[in-house]
Amino acid sequence: GENVEQHPSTLSVQEGDSAVIKCTYSDSASNYFPWYKQELGKRPQLIIDIRSNVGEKKDQRIAVTLNKTAKHFSLHITETQPEDSAVYFCAASPGGAGTASKLTFGTGTRLQVTL
Amino acid sequence: GAVVSQHPSRVICKSGTSVKIECRSLDFQATTMFWYRQFPKKSLMLMATSNEGSKATYEQGVEKDKFLINHASLTLSTLTVTSAHPEDSSFYICSARGYPTPGNEQFFGPGTRLTVL
Repeated sequence: GENVEQHPSTLSVQEGDSAVIKCTYSDSASNYFPWYKQELGKRPQLIIDIRSNVGEKKDQRIAVTLNKTAKHFSLHITETQPEDSAVYFCAASPGGAGTASKLTFGTGTRLQVTL
Repeated sequence: GAVVSQHPSRVICKSGTSVKIECRSLDFQATTMFWYRQFPKKSLMLMATSNEGSKATYEQGVEKDKFLINHASLTLSTLTVTSAHPEDSSFYICSARGYPTPGNEQFFGPGTRLTVL
C-alpha cells in the first residue's frame, strides 16, 4: 500500500519568514495530493491540493509543488503569521472512486510561528 | 457548503459497553465515507472506507467485529465501538465525499473524543 513520509516533524519560524514542509510517497498510482491544517482538537481543514497533471499550484501565501518522477511534493507558506501555527498533514490518494479515493496521511508537521 | 457533522463530540463510557458515533453529511450526498482514528499528537490512521449501501472495507489490522460500520443512507454513517476497552480511547474522525462536492476532496467531521474507563 501507499506510504507517505513527512518532514520535518516540528518547524519553528519567525513571523514573516517562509516555511517549507516536504513529503514523499511510494505508490506511483497516487495522483491526488492534498494538504490539511489541523488546530488542536479540531477537524483537519483542506488548505490546498494538487493533482498529478500539475507541477505547481499557488493560493495567496500558500503554494504546493509536485515532482511526480521523484515522488515528492512540498508545501510552501510565505510571510508566515502567528495564525499559521498548527499541525500540517500531507496526504496522497489514487484519486478514484470508493476505496480508491482513500487518503494516506503523512505523520504531520507542527509549525510554530513566533513573534 | 460541504458540511459534515459528528455526534457526539465527546463520550465517556465504561469498559465492556458499546458506543455509537454518527457521521452526517448535511448538504451533500456522501457516496463514500471514511473513518479515521487519531492518537494525541499523531497522524490520522484510516480504519475503514464505506460506500453507501455496501459493506465497509477495513484497513489491515482493524477488527471489523469490534468496529462496526454502517452506511445505510447517503447522508449517514455510523461507527459502533463494541465491548470498548481503555485502549480504544482515541479521537475518531469521519470524512465524506460524494456529489455535488468537487473532485477528490474529502470533508471532515469535527471528531469524537472517546474515553473508556
